[in-house]
Amino acid sequence: AQKVTQAQTEISVVEKEDVTLDCVYETRDTTYYLFWYKQPPSGELVFLIRRNSFDEQNEISGRYSWNFQKSTSSFNFTITASQVVDSAVYFCALSEGPSGSARQLTFGSGTQLTVLP
Amino acid sequence: SQTIHQWPATLVQPVGSPLSLECTVEGTSNPNLYWYRQAAGRGLQLLFYSVGIGQISSEVPQNLSASRPQDRQFILSSKKLLLSDSGFYLCAWNRGRFTGELFFGEGSRLTVL
Repeated sequence: AQKVTQAQTEISVVEKEDVTLDCVYETRDTTYYLFWYKQPPSGELVFLIRRNSFDEQNEISGRYSWNFQKSTSSFNFTITASQVVDSAVYFCALSEGPSGSARQLTFGSGTQLTVLP
Repeated sequence: SQTIHQWPATLVQPVGSPLSLECTVEGTSNPNLYWYRQAAGRGLQLLFYSVGIGQISSEVPQNLSASRPQDRQFILSSKKLLLSDSGFYLCAWNRGRFTGELFFGEGSRLTVL
């Protein structure tokens, strides 16, 4: 069975600091997809990234970057030069299978990030 | 552009009362629709998904039910609420293959007293 662990329940940083959110997953499948979602105080989840198990290249999008390491079953998310607007709950998720189906999507318990001015 | 709306945003109901949460998607056709529940301090749990009108799949046995009377409308219901039904309910949609890239509504917070 698939499992996603986000051990950091809450993180507080001061604006402009870098912060890394950890995500460790478990799966027996060789083909799977990993995701990150952001849930701001307004409530709706916002999709950030999808990565398949065959693509271990790190990805950078503006101040966001993701480090995928199959050897440690981790898919960590780093925000560089954090801003107050980054304050949110961040969810890591895993979907087994070749299509990354939402029906098989398992979410971690989330990390509450607070960026202080 | 596509939008998704849920209502009501908040709801306080007594135990044993009925429930109806509605979700509507605009700007797309034949979406896949999902209902998730987010309990406090936990991740999201998929409750129901639908690939078309009248087609509902349940992921977790419970006293909730879902219906899809129209292509872009998804309703979550209960005949008698339990205390354990309290939580944050999120509707989501996507298209085409069942990819994990979902678009979520603003959520409905239900408190059962």
